[in-house]
This record gives sequence, structure tokens and C-alpha cells, in this order.
Amino acid sequence: AIRMTQSPSSFSASTGDRVTITCRASQGISSYLAWYQQKPGKAPNLLIYAASTLQSGVPSRFSGSGSGTDFTLTISSLQSEDFATYYCQQYYNYPRTFGQGTKVEI
Amino acid sequence: EVQLVESGGGLVQPGGSLRLSCAGSGFTFSGNAMSWVRQAPGKGLEWVSVISGSGDSTYYADSVKGRFTISRDNSKNTLYLQMNSLRAEDTAVYYCAREAPTFDYWGQGTLVTVSS
Repeated sequence: AIRMTQSPSSFSASTGDRVTITCRASQGISSYLAWYQQKPGKAPNLLIYAASTLQSGVPSRFSGSGSGTDFTLTISSLQSEDFATYYCQQYYNYPRTFGQGTKVEI
Repeated sequence: EVQLVESGGGLVQPGGSLRLSCAGSGFTFSGNAMSWVRQAPGKGLEWVSVISGSGDSTYYADSVKGRFTISRDNSKNTLYLQMNSLRAEDTAVYYCAREAPTFDYWGQGTLVTVSS
């Protein structure tokens, strides 16, 4: 199975900060990478697919980049509603695998 | 509007069985692969299983292979997960999700607790 490793696991930030989360795949996955946001008690929400394509309805302050094994999720100016846990996920093959999550806290 | 609604969760003893259901609406159910993804309390997301739109192809995580069975009834727009030989480590919120091929729509989740 492809192992997805996110960093950091958690960090504190402030409203207005530029935030970057990284995700590394244990083998090349081309651009078959998605990012999800999850708030407590809620289902995950798809933010980005194909490494850099914004899902419909997702604010443009979110962006993604990378290919192969190294990927990043960037939030250009953190808003209060962005405090959540973020997961990367590969869909290059089965089993689908997720990163361990990155919790963005105030 | 796409909706996915899970049901069937609850408390079950170790070694027991449970069947989860997920009712889909607002999209062509038979035209989409569907997955189950679970989340243990306070933990991350773990993909469990997928079934193709026609139902003729399935995959499972190693952690559930041989114990769980995914199926679907396209005439009822419903996805199922039959869970047998349940273990404490299967305790989690179970989500169904449309796989297109990313998980673009999710249900609200149903809690399965395996405990004596």
C-alpha cells in the first residue's frame, strides 16, 4: 500500500496567516492526490483534486501543488472557518490511503 | 442535490455482525463507484472498501478482508456493508462516499461500537 505522510501533524496559526501543509507519498502517484477538510463531528469535505484543481464552491484562498511524491496545500490567508483538520489522499491505486491528518489550531 | 444517508450502526459484541446501509439520491447511483471510509474515535480516516457502479468489482482494505462484504442494490439506490467477526478495533464512524474517483460526496456517518 502507498503510505501518505503529512507534516506537520498539528500547528497553531492566526487569522490572516499563510499556511502550508505538505504531503509525501511513499511512491510516485502522478497527480492523483486529493485534499479534504474535516471539522469536528462532520464528514470530510473535498477541497482539491488532481493535486491542484479546486473543487466547485471551495474558496480561492485554497490551492494545491505538486506531482509525483511531494505535494502541498496552501491557504493564502487563514480565516476563522478554516480551523480544522486536513487530510491528503491518493487515488492512484487501491487501497486508497490517507495521510494521518494535520490539525490547524488557533 | 446529492444526498447520502447511512444507517444501521450501533453497539455490537466482539465476534458479532452488523449491516450498514447507505441510501443515495440526487445522482445516477448506478453510474458511480461507492466506498466506505471509517474513522476511529479521535483518529484519522481509513478507507475500507469500494464497489463499482455495476457491482461486479470490489476491493477491500487488508484490515477487513474476509470479514466485511460490500454490495449494492441499484434498484433501491442503496449501498451496503456487511460486517462479520467484528473486533474492538472496528469501532468507528463509518461513512459512505461517492468515489468519482475522489470522494466528492459523503454521508453524515454512522457509529459502530464493538464492545462487550
